[in-house]
Amino acid sequence: GENVEQHPSTLSVQEGDSAVIKCTYSDSASNYFPWYKQELGKRPQLIIDIRSNVGEKKDQRIAVTLNKTAKHFSLHITETQPEDSAVYFCAASIGTGTASKLTFGTGTRLQVTL
Amino acid sequence: DAGITQSPRHKVTETGTPVTLRCHQTENHRYMYWYRQDPGHGLRLIHYSYGVKDTDKGEVSDGYSVSRSKTEDFLLTLESATSSQTSVYFCAISDPGRTSGNTIYFGEGSWLTVV
Repeated sequence: GENVEQHPSTLSVQEGDSAVIKCTYSDSASNYFPWYKQELGKRPQLIIDIRSNVGEKKDQRIAVTLNKTAKHFSLHITETQPEDSAVYFCAASIGTGTASKLTFGTGTRLQVTL
Repeated sequence: DAGITQSPRHKVTETGTPVTLRCHQTENHRYMYWYRQDPGHGLRLIHYSYGVKDTDKGEVSDGYSVSRSKTEDFLLTLESATSSQTSVYFCAISDPGRTSGNTIYFGEGSWLTVV
């Protein structure tokens, strides 16, 4: 089955700096790659996603890049703010129009310091 | 919140007792999922459903069973709870027929402690 590895496990940045989280996946058939943000005691919430027919996607301060050849994708957060502090999860799945059986990475705890 | 509610939200139970967690959705989503979340493991799929009475196993299904007798309800049962099943359980939904495609949305979670 699919295997997703995520690095780093913890990341500390100063407010205003950029943060980058990287994930690799094993199954070349995977074609959907979402990122979730989870605050302490809350549910994971989708912040951005990308499909395999797109190389990059941006939404304000957040961007995701995908390299299908190398089978890795990354989350980029610019101009970080204290409210960006949370655990971030990447995930991968195969198929469209069917059950979305996501395989998740183990998470990155991002701490934005003042 | 995609109209998902989970119950109970918190439960403490004893080893060997049966436990059922309920996921209820109000928006007629086709697919429903149960994930568990543990430190160092991220979220792992337990079981999922693709319609009434249609279910299938995920990567960590041992010790769990599910049922979906109505579109809106997806039940997760631990037949005989063990301490290794202490976890946070998240229900989720997706609906490829709508614009969200593969996106899954999570419920608020159920904290289960087995003592």
